[in-house]
Amino acid sequence: DTEVTQTPKHLVMGMTNKKSLKCEQHMGHRAMYWYKQKAKKPPELMFVYSYEKLSINESVPSRFSPECPNSSLLNLHLHALQPEDSALYLCASSLNRGGPRLVEQFFGPGTRLTVL
Amino acid sequence: GENVEQHPSTLSVQEGDSAVIKCTYSDSASNYFPWYKQELGKRPQLIIDIRSNVGEKKDQRIAVTLNKTAKHFSLHITETQPEDSAVYFCAANGNQFYFGTGTSLTVIP
Repeated sequence: DTEVTQTPKHLVMGMTNKKSLKCEQHMGHRAMYWYKQKAKKPPELMFVYSYEKLSINESVPSRFSPECPNSSLLNLHLHALQPEDSALYLCASSLNRGGPRLVEQFFGPGTRLTVL
Repeated sequence: GENVEQHPSTLSVQEGDSAVIKCTYSDSASNYFPWYKQELGKRPQLIIDIRSNVGEKKDQRIAVTLNKTAKHFSLHITETQPEDSAVYFCAANGNQFYFGTGTSLTVIP
């Protein structure tokens, strides 16, 4: 399996809802990433997990809560979001975080999130 | 941290012509420079990458050049086709991936 998968593809939620985004890869990658992407803008890094431990949190509001239950799964728990949080949420993985040969990142298809 | 600048932000070319997109970076420790193509509503897909120990890499109609001294790298697409139309992002790896601001390429049939 050479893909990163994400569910759901689309999500509409109200500002009081709690929902979760899921990401999965079976390539043996030990680094996994969450990005937020607005239309026609580059992906913005939110979180990095390395060997199932959170290694980077780019000052993301606490209404976004990441979780890495095991080396293949990455979740993003959402609570009390704002309309400006509407975006494409991309998951990515790489073999590892560092080293010149190990940083190629593979992206999932993304979850299109709309907050009403 | 790293700072990646990308130009132009939009580019229109006639089918069959060449397209060139340029990026500059600031962190001399960066050693990996990928290029991603993102079609509307789809994921970014790696199309070519280059590491700091080489100056040029080619894959069919796509080539990337790297000038470490000047800290810039470029994407060259030859014989462009309508299906090359997309947004292209460059990136550099400092402590993490730093993406350029993107170039919206339109190939006019």
